[in-house]
Amino acid sequence: SQTIHQWPATLVQPVGSPLSLECTVEGTSNPNLYWYRQAAGRGLQLLFYSVGIGQISSEVPQNLSASRPQDRQFILSSKKLLLSDSGFYLCAWGYGAGGETQYFGPGTRLLVL
Amino acid sequence: GQSLEQPSEVTAVEGAIVQINCTYQTSGFYGLSWYQQHDGGAPTFLSYNALDGLEETGRFSSFLSRSDSYGYLLLQELQMKDSASYFCAVPSGSARQLTFGSGTQLTVLP
Repeated sequence: SQTIHQWPATLVQPVGSPLSLECTVEGTSNPNLYWYRQAAGRGLQLLFYSVGIGQISSEVPQNLSASRPQDRQFILSSKKLLLSDSGFYLCAWGYGAGGETQYFGPGTRLLVL
Repeated sequence: GQSLEQPSEVTAVEGAIVQINCTYQTSGFYGLSWYQQHDGGAPTFLSYNALDGLEETGRFSSFLSRSDSYGYLLLQELQMKDSASYFCAVPSGSARQLTFGSGTQLTVLP
């Protein structure tokens, strides 16, 4: 069966510090991978998605970036965090066309102070 | 682009039936998905409708009308554990990336 891992679960970072969030998927090959952000009490906003190694598409211009160094690894990064980067970051995987279901990881709660 | 509208809050009592509506505007339509999210948790997939009509999965059903750009999630025999946020979402693009509605907070009262 497939599982998706995210870490850390919670993170408190000062403004201006760097960020690296990691997501890994097990039990599937060549999945589509997605990063979403959710502000408190709000819906999910798609940040990045990837259909393969090294292939990243950005949905929202911001100071975040994403990378996919391996088939089942997806990393979200920032060089300098802003207060507005606080939120619940969720990684998800899916098969894309023909498999519209997405499966979410447990998420990382980021608080930027 | 894509946009979805759903009510922000719904309240019902245990054992009742509740319907959560979703209207959407999309450029290109594949189908309508529903996700459930409990407080502090990650969204979990409930259903996906690509064709018009009603899909039933246990106590939960989902309906789609493509001509009306409208769908709903129907929850029957409500239980306290159904208290959660419910999101409708539409996939788009080659990666079927999801655009979510803002969510409906369902509160089930005893």
